[in-house]
Amino acid sequence: GAGVSQTPSNKVTEKGKYVELRCDPISGHTALYWYRQSLGQGPEFLIYFQGTGAADDSGLPNDRFFAVRPEGSVSTLKIQRTERGDSAVYLCASSSTVASTDTQYFGPGTRLTVL
Amino acid sequence: RKEVEQDPGPFNVPEGATVAFNCTYSNSASQSFFWYRQDCRKEPKLLMSVYSSGNEDGRFTAQLNRASQYISLLIRDSKLSDSATYLCVVNGRNYGGSQGNLIFGKGTKLSVKP
Repeated sequence: GAGVSQTPSNKVTEKGKYVELRCDPISGHTALYWYRQSLGQGPEFLIYFQGTGAADDSGLPNDRFFAVRPEGSVSTLKIQRTERGDSAVYLCASSSTVASTDTQYFGPGTRLTVL
Repeated sequence: RKEVEQDPGPFNVPEGATVAFNCTYSNSASQSFFWYRQDCRKEPKLLMSVYSSGNEDGRFTAQLNRASQYISLLIRDSKLSDSATYLCVVNGRNYGGSQGNLIFGKGTKLSVKP
């Protein structure tokens, strides 16, 4: 079946602009996760949803970052007043439940470049 | 101390070689452990979960030593297609996070040469 999809695949923006990154999880997966990966680093957790609610947003770096999942499926990560340090690959993952043993399936990521 | 630490690499090995990756984690209460593989400019993909008893999947063997807080991955008879970055991953529940989030090491790059 279809895997996790993310759009856009690449996004170039200017410092100070607002961006939205979209994630479409595997159908039926209740848990959805956002991670950020900088060059040479492993992915870092940002936020995760169980259904429509954010179960843990402890990884969001500051209040410029916000994510929603209004209908419990598609999620949007929103970044306000982008900064050059926000440049990274933003990865979305989903799993069928939130059990710690459940496999998280990753999307191809959105490569964000802030000029 | 970082939560998950790995050999920095890169590891450059000939085809057919056996290669071992090591990883340590800082929280002794951690419960779930994984190895993920990430190809260049691609997303991470689960290679295998790691269990206390150790587990094997074909040419890949993963071991967990809870007393030493140490995880290993052994690749036997390495293939050109094994070239990738290998990420050691621990579930974040006991690091002040939820059971939902994963904590990744920086990864170790493997390059298998003909």
